[in-house]
Amino acid sequence: AQRVTQPEKLLSVFKGAPVELKCNYSYSGSPELFWYVQYSRQRLQLLLRHISRESIKGFTADLNKGETSFHLKKPFAQEEDSAMYYCALKNTRFGAGTRLTVKP
Amino acid sequence: ETGVTQSPTHLIKTRGQQVTLRCSSQSGHNTVSWYQQALGQGPQFIFQYYREEENGRGNFPPRFSGLQFPNYSSELNVNALELDDSALYLCASSLVAGVGTGELFFGEGSRLTVL
Repeated sequence: AQRVTQPEKLLSVFKGAPVELKCNYSYSGSPELFWYVQYSRQRLQLLLRHISRESIKGFTADLNKGETSFHLKKPFAQEEDSAMYYCALKNTRFGAGTRLTVKP
Repeated sequence: ETGVTQSPTHLIKTRGQQVTLRCSSQSGHNTVSWYQQALGQGPQFIFQYYREEENGRGNFPPRFSGLQFPNYSSELNVNALELDDSALYLCASSLVAGVGTGELFFGEGSRLTVL
């Protein structure tokens, strides 16, 4: 069965600290994984996808097939990173989301 | 470039009624997906339409149905509304037809309350 788990509903860090938002998935085939972000009063938008292996707004995410994880990382969090983050598998299965708050 | 627009933004219905939600896809996009997002949850995939045909479906009963028109706009219809249908309904368009692939461009959603 397809499943996406984001174990943390809330995550709070101070500005300049590293941040890692966890995502674990369950899927028998080759996964296509995405991170979507929703800033306050904005619509949901793509942050990055594993297939492009790019860094967006300083965020990176590495697919670890052995651990079935796709954690989102940023070495130095900024206040404007405060938002709701969703991990998605094949755009058909979304995690429950993690609300990141970056404190000044 | 026009983004994804949805209407209405809010509506209230009573149990047993029927509702139609509308979505205009982003300019140039031929694929539309619909999602249900309950409070505190992530979006749940309802179905996707590509070139006016249903192209994939999530775990939703048949009373959830859809249409896509030649201009790629789409409707989501829900019959026999239940209290648990209260949620934010999101429409997303994309350029890629395969279910689960490609970047999704989301609308702001239609918030349905069933009393």
